[in-house]
Formats: sequence, structure tokens, C-alpha cells
Amino acid sequence: AQSVAQPEDQVNVAEGNPLTVKCTYSVSGNPYLFWYVQYPNRGLQFLLKYITGDNLVKGSYGFEAEFNKSQTSFHLKKPSALVSDSALYFCAVRVPRAGTALIFGKGTTLSVSS
Amino acid sequence: EAGVTQFPSHSVIEKGQTVTLRCDPISGHDNLYWYRRVMGKEIKFLLHFVKESKQDESGMPNNRFLAERTGGTYSTLKVQPAELEDSGVYFCASSPLGRDNTEAFFGQGTRLTVV
Repeated sequence: AQSVAQPEDQVNVAEGNPLTVKCTYSVSGNPYLFWYVQYPNRGLQFLLKYITGDNLVKGSYGFEAEFNKSQTSFHLKKPSALVSDSALYFCAVRVPRAGTALIFGKGTTLSVSS
Repeated sequence: EAGVTQFPSHSVIEKGQTVTLRCDPISGHDNLYWYRRVMGKEIKFLLHFVKESKQDESGMPNNRFLAERTGGTYSTLKVQPAELEDSGVYFCASSPLGRDNTEAFFGQGTRLTVV
């Protein structure tokens, strides 16, 4: 079965420190990869995506993600965390030519302390 | 430009009752998706409309769920009769027709609680 794993339910970092939210996937073919963020009482907001090309993609709010094909991973990163980054983060994949629905991980809560 | 809007934001109903959720996609977006997140679990795909046609409804849990998109604009998702396990957050998303590498835009979700 095709799936996305976010191995950490929660990630805690101090403001100003780098952060990483992990994501690995198990799907057939070469998927498109996405990160979404959900702030409290808000909908899912698109952060960034990997389609093809450079393995390091940059997105909104200073976030970036690194695609690693051999490890089937797409970890989300930020060099310096802000308290306002505290939210729920979802990794998702879409398998080309297998419909356009997204397959999501279960989410990782990021908590940034001041 | 207005985003994807969902109504209501919260709904608490008793087991056996009927609830209808509504989603207004971004104007001009022919793709419309429904997803559901049960507490602490993955967000799971329910179904996909292209305009008014159901493109993929493989994620619909059972026949108590009925989705419609008359006229290809807004969509409704009806649960009848609701069961306890239907509780969760229902998300709607839309995207323009075309390349499948386009990101989807999500609404704020409807939190459904069945008691």
C-alpha cells in the first residue's frame, strides 16, 4: 500500500535554532511531494512542493525541503525557527497518472519555544 | 480572491441524525476534493470531482456518505445517518484543471462531532 510516514508526532525546538520535520514515503513511481501547514483554527496552507529538478526546494515563510530519492525522504527544514512557526505540518505525495488525490502523513506538531 | 470556504466550521449532532457539509471552491477551479482527518490520524482522501462529475470516489467509507456538485460549483457532503466513527475534520480542496503537479488549495475544514 502506498503511504507517507512522519515518524515524529511532535518536534520541539528553541527559537533561533534550526528545525527539521521528517517525512518518508513509500509509493510507486516518481511522486510529486508537498508540505502543508495548519495553524490553529485555520485551513491547510501550501508551503512548498518538489516536482523535478534541484533536490532542495524553497517555499513560504523561509522553509525549504530536501528531496532524497535513494532514501525516499522529503524532510522539511528551516535554518532559524520562529515561535510563529508553531503549527501542525503535513507531508503529502501525489502519484502521477494515478489520480490527483494526495496521500498524507499523519502530521507533526512543531512547537517552537522562546 | 476568496479562498476555499467551508460551512459550517463546527457541527455537533447525535448518532442517527443527518448532517450536510458545504464547500465553495475557488472560482474557476474544476477539481474539487473532499478529505477527512480522524483525530490524530492521516488526512484521508474521500472523493474527487471534476466539474460536476465524480472522477474518483474510492475513498468514500460507505453508502451513508453522499457527495454532490450540481452545476460544477459548490459541493455538499451529506452523512445520513451519522455514526460515532464519522467524527473528524472534513476538508475540502480545489485546484485548476490541468497539470497534476499543481498544488491544491484547502478550506479551513468542518469539525464534525457525532455524540
